[in-house]
Amino acid sequence: DTQMTQSPSSLSASVGDRVTIACRASQTISTYLNWYQQKPGKAPKVLIYAASSLQSGVPSRFSGSGSGTDFTLTISSLQPEDFATYYCQQSYSTPLTFGGGTKVEIK
Amino acid sequence: EVQLVESGGGLVQPGGSLRLSCAASGFTFSSYWMNWVRQAPGKGLEWVANIKEDGSEKYYLDSVKGRFTISRDTAKNSLYLQMNSLRAEDTAVYYCARDKKWRELQGTEVYYYYYMDVWGKGTTVTVSS
Repeated sequence: DTQMTQSPSSLSASVGDRVTIACRASQTISTYLNWYQQKPGKAPKVLIYAASSLQSGVPSRFSGSGSGTDFTLTISSLQPEDFATYYCQQSYSTPLTFGGGTKVEIK
Repeated sequence: EVQLVESGGGLVQPGGSLRLSCAASGFTFSSYWMNWVRQAPGKGLEWVANIKEDGSEKYYLDSVKGRFTISRDTAKNSLYLQMNSLRAEDTAVYYCARDKKWRELQGTEVYYYYYMDVWGKGTTVTVSS
C-alpha cells in the first residue's frame, strides 16, 4: 500500500499569508495526486487533480506541484474561507489512500 | 443538478449488518466509477471501496474485505454498500463519491487520471452495544 504523509498536521496563519502544505508518498506515484479541502461537518471538495490541474471553479490562489513522491499545495494569499482541513490523496493504485490532513487555522 | 444522496446509516450492534445506499442524479451514472469513503469521528478520510462503471471490477480496503460488499444498480441510479460483521472501528460518516476521469495526452501516450469530483453529504454509521 502507498502511504501518504502530510506536513505539517496543523498550522496557524493570517489572512493574506502564503501557505504551503507538503505531501509525501511512500513510493513513486508519478502525478497521480489529488488535493481536497474539507470544512467542519461538510463533505470534501476537490481543489487540485493530477498534481497541478486546478478543478473548475476553484480560485487561482490554489496551486499544486510535484511528481514522483513529493508534492506541494500552495495557497498564495490565504482568505477567510480557506480555513479548513486539507488532504492529499493518491490515485495511482488501490487501495486509494489519503494523507492524514493539515488543519489550517486562524492566527 | 449533479447530486449524490446517501442513506441507510444508523446505530447497530457489533456483529450486525447495515446496507448503505447512494442515489445519484443529474449525470449518467453508468459512465462513472464510484467510491465509498469514510471518516471516523475526529479523524481523517479513509477510502473503503470502489466499483467500475459496469460493476465488473470492485476493490476494497483490506480491513473490510470479506465483510463489506459494494454494488450498483444502473436502472435505479444507485450505489450500495452492504456491511456485515460490523465492528466498533467501522463507526464513521460514510460518503459516496463519483470518480471523474481526466484524459491527458503526453506526446503519443494517453494517461488517465481519476479524482473524486462529486460527493454526497454522508450518512452516519455507529457501531455500539
